[in-house]
Amino acid sequence: DADVTQTPRNRITKTGKRIMLECSQTKGHDRMYWYRQDPGLGLRLIYYSFDVKDINKGEISDGYSVSRQAQAKFSLSLESAIPNQTALYFCATSDPSEGGGQPQHFGDGTRLSIL
Amino acid sequence: QKEVEQNSGPLSVPEGAIASLNCTYSDRGSQSFFWYRQYSGKSPELIMFIYSNGDKEDGRFTAQLNKASQYVSLLIRDSQPSDSATYLCAVRDSSASKIIFGSGTRLSIRP
Repeated sequence: DADVTQTPRNRITKTGKRIMLECSQTKGHDRMYWYRQDPGLGLRLIYYSFDVKDINKGEISDGYSVSRQAQAKFSLSLESAIPNQTALYFCATSDPSEGGGQPQHFGDGTRLSIL
Repeated sequence: QKEVEQNSGPLSVPEGAIASLNCTYSDRGSQSFFWYRQYSGKSPELIMFIYSNGDKEDGRFTAQLNKASQYVSLLIRDSQPSDSATYLCAVRDSSASKIIFGSGTRLSIRP
């Protein structure tokens, strides 16, 4: 979904490094999410935000932090990366007023490898 | 812990046949149910949404929901090789704040 942009698309880094993944959207949605995907485990929610002043932990928030700099921007940080954080990371947005059950709109993902 | 369960597959179906994908969920208060398709290395894309008991059809796709049994399924008619992908079942939880995803079923359509 070109309306949700994630940077970088790929990143290889070393254990202990601080990493920031960025997400920006032009959909005008208030709600933004960060997921990670591991083989065989589906999508797991890390953090979500319903507006600029709202931050909520998901099911796997340990080792991660987020910042909602503006309605359109939601960043995910790994303060000290470890190898088991190697995964595919997705940012998503949603709009509670959207028909069809308020589906998630996904970015193209960031493939992160921690060596 | 609210859960969404899917058979991981792979499910192999001949071209032109009907593919049937199943999903169960634990949160009885869930209201909205989604099927996403995900090609390898790509982001999930929404293909069906359902919230009422019964069937909902969209082209070759039919979603079926049975809230009493906490069961949702996806039927793909006239399966094509391009349907080969992982299909994620997702459920909006009873608080309506989050969507919980299953681990996905890998579908392979053989020519």
